[in-house]
Amino acid sequence: SAVISQKPSRDICQRGTSLTIQCQVDSQVTMMFWYRQQPGQSLTLIATANQGSEATYESGFVIDKFPISRPNLTFSTLTVSNMSPEDSSIYLCSASATGPSPSGANVLTFGAGSRLTVL
Amino acid sequence: SQQGEEDPQALSIQEGENATMNCSYKTSINNLQWYRQNSGRGLVHLILIRSNEREKHSGRLRVTLDTSKKSSSLLITASRAADTASYFCATVTGGGNKLTFGTGTQLKVEL
Repeated sequence: SAVISQKPSRDICQRGTSLTIQCQVDSQVTMMFWYRQQPGQSLTLIATANQGSEATYESGFVIDKFPISRPNLTFSTLTVSNMSPEDSSIYLCSASATGPSPSGANVLTFGAGSRLTVL
Repeated sequence: SQQGEEDPQALSIQEGENATMNCSYKTSINNLQWYRQNSGRGLVHLILIRSNEREKHSGRLRVTLDTSKKSSSLLITASRAADTASYFCATVTGGGNKLTFGTGTQLKVEL
């Protein structure tokens, strides 16, 4: 399965600043997703990163706050803009090597996550 | 919103014992998957069960699915300290490609 590298692994940021998280996959993948996980909680899908087009955002997440790029089939970035303490979380990049199938068998590989603390 | 609710939220057992965790979901699914997350790490896929399957095995893992009750269980047999982690169920619904994760079970296996 694919190997995903995420950086930074952690960062401490000041309120009002922005941070870009990078996600690099060692092979071409069809689907890439960004999730947020607050400490001790489950994962919430932020958006699907679409190669060569605008990301598809889930309810409650907007492009101005979480701009996403995906210039090719192996790389994506997530920016957390104008950060506030409520944005302190773990951000996880994930990828699927296969596109959606009739059975919906979409198995994800995850990066190690980027732990963000906003002061 | 969460599709899956898992119980127990936390489970502590002795090495060698079996661990069972349950997942309930709300809508019809295409498949259900289980993932493990070690502290401070990303998630690792463990096993997938399709909606037309009732039971599946992989090594020490056994997964069951009851679509009439909209529930699944994950059994880890002969647990080891290295099994200490959080376990999440995740569902795929409709013709989509997105996974919706449950609330997770924190498993601690003590020596």
